[in-house]
Amino acid sequence: DVKVTQSSRYLVKRTGEKVFLECVQDMDHENMFWYRQDPGLGLRLIYFSYDVKMKEKGDIPEGYSVSREKKERFSLILESASTNQTSMYLCASSTDTSGHYGYTFGSGTRLTVV
Amino acid sequence: GNSVTQMEGPVTLSEEAFLTINCTYTATGYPSLFWYVQYPGEGLQLLLKATKADDKGSNKGFEATYRKETTSFHLEKGSVQVSDSAVYFCALKTASGTYKYIFGTGTRLKVLA
Repeated sequence: DVKVTQSSRYLVKRTGEKVFLECVQDMDHENMFWYRQDPGLGLRLIYFSYDVKMKEKGDIPEGYSVSREKKERFSLILESASTNQTSMYLCASSTDTSGHYGYTFGSGTRLTVV
Repeated sequence: GNSVTQMEGPVTLSEEAFLTINCTYTATGYPSLFWYVQYPGEGLQLLLKATKADDKGSNKGFEATYRKETTSFHLEKGSVQVSDSAVYFCALKTASGTYKYIFGTGTRLKVLA
């Protein structure tokens, strides 16, 4: 069964900390994505990557950066965590740009910044 | 620009009731359309999809038909179960080669026994 694995289900971090959220997929997918999910706002795209070492900003990149050194791993970095970054973070991957296959999502990381 | 609009929830139904969750979209060209489901505490799972006009996607008793003339992709199920309680997201991907999908805000469904 194909999988997208996020390293933590729950995280609690302090304001100002540097936070790393890790995502690994075993499907050899080219494209990987980071979303945050907030009540009433749905899913908002933070960053995505269409190849190793390639990245593009999504709709809300401020306060975040990403790293993709290997095809299977896509990391989201909060440079200096703030309370307004408390959210559910979802990683996803996809194999193509045609739209025929959809995304495969991880189970999510619920981050609380105190 | 491209967008997806879903009916606001929560939707509360009794078991075995008929379900409709409305979804309309705005997009250039002929997008692919999707429904995702998110069970409590989990990530999103692809429920069904349709990639061209008049296609019907179906899975687990759920159906949705891609209506180009009304730019809609409404989700339906004839008889819901308590286990269908979840948040449902409508999404689209344009055919222009962009990598990202556009999601609606989600509709929470609660089914009572």
